[in-house]
Formats: sequence, structure tokens, C-alpha cells
Amino acid sequence: EAGVAQSPRYKIIEKRQSVAFWCNPISGHATLYWYQQILGQGPKLLIQFQNNGVVDDSQLPKDRFSAERLKGVDSTLKIQPAKLEDSAVYLCASSLGGNSYEQYFGPGTRLTVT
Amino acid sequence: GQQVMQIPQYQHVQEGEDFTTYCNSSTTLSNIQWYKQRPGGHPVFLIQLVKSGEVKKQKRLTFQFGEAKKNSSLHITATQTTDVGTYFCAGKETSGSRLTFGEGTQLTVNP
Repeated sequence: EAGVAQSPRYKIIEKRQSVAFWCNPISGHATLYWYQQILGQGPKLLIQFQNNGVVDDSQLPKDRFSAERLKGVDSTLKIQPAKLEDSAVYLCASSLGGNSYEQYFGPGTRLTVT
Repeated sequence: GQQVMQIPQYQHVQEGEDFTTYCNSSTTLSNIQWYKQRPGGHPVFLIQLVKSGEVKKQKRLTFQFGEAKKNSSLHITATQTTDVGTYFCAGKETSGSRLTFGEGTQLTVNP
């Protein structure tokens, strides 16, 4: 079984630039999550999708972050414009159902904003 | 909002010693999950606890869920160098849908 795929693995941008991350979850997983993990901290949920609908985006900074999962499969997360404090690892995870199921994480995208 | 706290933040042990990390939630949980993240890696699911007072074992790892369903612990017996990593608990409130991760306990094991 293929795992959660993410790209790119690393990205370096200057502040005020835009960036996009892509995630392909495990086949058949209805729920997809985007997390932000700042160095030395636990993952923080940015947005949770159930199929192509948003379940929770209360912690997503909507003035600069956006995410979509148009066909209920893969997803993109965009930051525009980026700030220095956005430097972090962006983790995508998927699960069969909601938060009572184990989550499978992708390798993450390490973003550095200079 | 819900807060999930873990202690200690760091733990250094000699190989063969035991290790315990504690997780406390500000609210009652419906379930709690534990994940392990190796250095440079991504979180990997270890276990889920659902019932009050539940105890589960995986080889040298013992997981407990408190009677009040507000705290949990992970105990490793006789640590090995392969146990190195950061251990996160993640709790789901009874009234919410989000899984909130703790800050993690970083374990280092000296051979």
C-alpha cells in the first residue's frame, strides 16, 4: 500500500512570495489533514477535509493560507504572501474516517522563508 | 480552547533504563492517540485508547488512559537506542472533532 505522498520535500522562498504544497493521500482515505509543525513543537491542525468538504479550518490563517481538495482525493495548500513565521514543516495526513481513526502522515514539506 | 500538555519536554536515559512520558488535557477526552516521530521523520501512529482506565501493551511499551479520561501515559521498559525520537499524545475532546497534539517528549538514549 502506497503511503501519503507530498511534494516538494523542501522549499526556500523569500517573504511576501507565494508557495504551494501538494498532497496525495492513501487511496480510499476519506479524511485529509494539513498540519503545521514548527521546530520543537507538536503538529498543529490547519485544515481537515472529509472527502471534498471542510470539517475544520478554524486554525487556518485565512488571510494568507488557502487549501482545496476539489475531487475529494489530492489536495493543495497555498500560502500567499509568506511571512518569516511560516517557516515550518507542513505535514499532510490521511485517515479512513474522522478523528477516531489513526492518521497516516506523509514525509512533509520543509518550508524556509527568508 | 483545548490544551494538551506533555511532560517532560526532554528525557535523556541510559540504554536499559525505563522511560515515562505524561499527557494531560484541559478537557475530557473521547479518545487519545500516541505517535512517535523519529529525528527528521514524520509522526507514526502507535496506539489509540478509548476506555476510561484502559491499559494497552505493545512489547516494551505500556499505554494508560486515566479514569477521568483527561490524562494518559506512555511507559517504555528497558529502553533501546531504537526508541530514540519524540513521542506525541493527541487527544480528541468529547465535544469536538479536532485531534489536538501535545508538544511532545523528546527521548534520547545513550548506548
